[in-house]
Amino acid sequence: EPEVTQTPSHQVTQMGQEVILRCVPISNHLYFYWYRQILGQKVEFLVSFYNNEISEKSEIFDDQFSVERPDGSNFTLKIRSTKLEDSAMYFCASSDSPGAGQFFGPGTRLTVL
Amino acid sequence: EDQVTQSPEALRLQEGESSSLNCSYTVSGLRGLFWYRQDPGKGPEFLFTLYSAGEEKEKERLKATLTKKESFLHITAPKPEDSATYLCAVQAGDSNYQLIWGAGTKLIIKP
Repeated sequence: EPEVTQTPSHQVTQMGQEVILRCVPISNHLYFYWYRQILGQKVEFLVSFYNNEISEKSEIFDDQFSVERPDGSNFTLKIRSTKLEDSAMYFCASSDSPGAGQFFGPGTRLTVL
Repeated sequence: EDQVTQSPEALRLQEGESSSLNCSYTVSGLRGLFWYRQDPGKGPEFLFTLYSAGEEKEKERLKATLTKKESFLHITAPKPEDSATYLCAVQAGDSNYQLIWGAGTKLIIKP
């Protein structure tokens, strides 16, 4: 069964450093998403991406964040200068249409020290 | 403001004891309501999408229903492997993409 994969599973970084989180969406999906979940809190939407551009973003997704589809399979989230409050589980998801169920990867646990 | 509230926060059942989880929502036009299962340290696993009041979906021991104000996830004769956090999310009328999430119901099924 096709699945979304994410690497790394755990990333530890120092405050102020740049991190890149990587995702491989399901191959025939065209809509891609990033969400985050701070420990013990709700899942929060960050950004959606379609046709090589951002289709929607939340207030959390400020200038420190960027997304890219560098090739035909990968989808990345970059945080330019990490803050302590960026520590969270980051989930990538994909879907085959905007209103369809979104399929999530296993997540990357980001720890900012 | 669009909002999703789930109840109860936690639910402990004996194996075989059926029950329901609730998801109430206040959104500016519902485009879709989604149920997910999340195991500790894992990503949400998609279960169902419901689009209009009166719609029902079933999968094994789970059945999801939708009204104009809330959705229920009914679990019939649960087994210990059904233990997980069940998340509800909605897609509101002014968005084609983002999901707005509830805090989840942690379900524990005791053998």
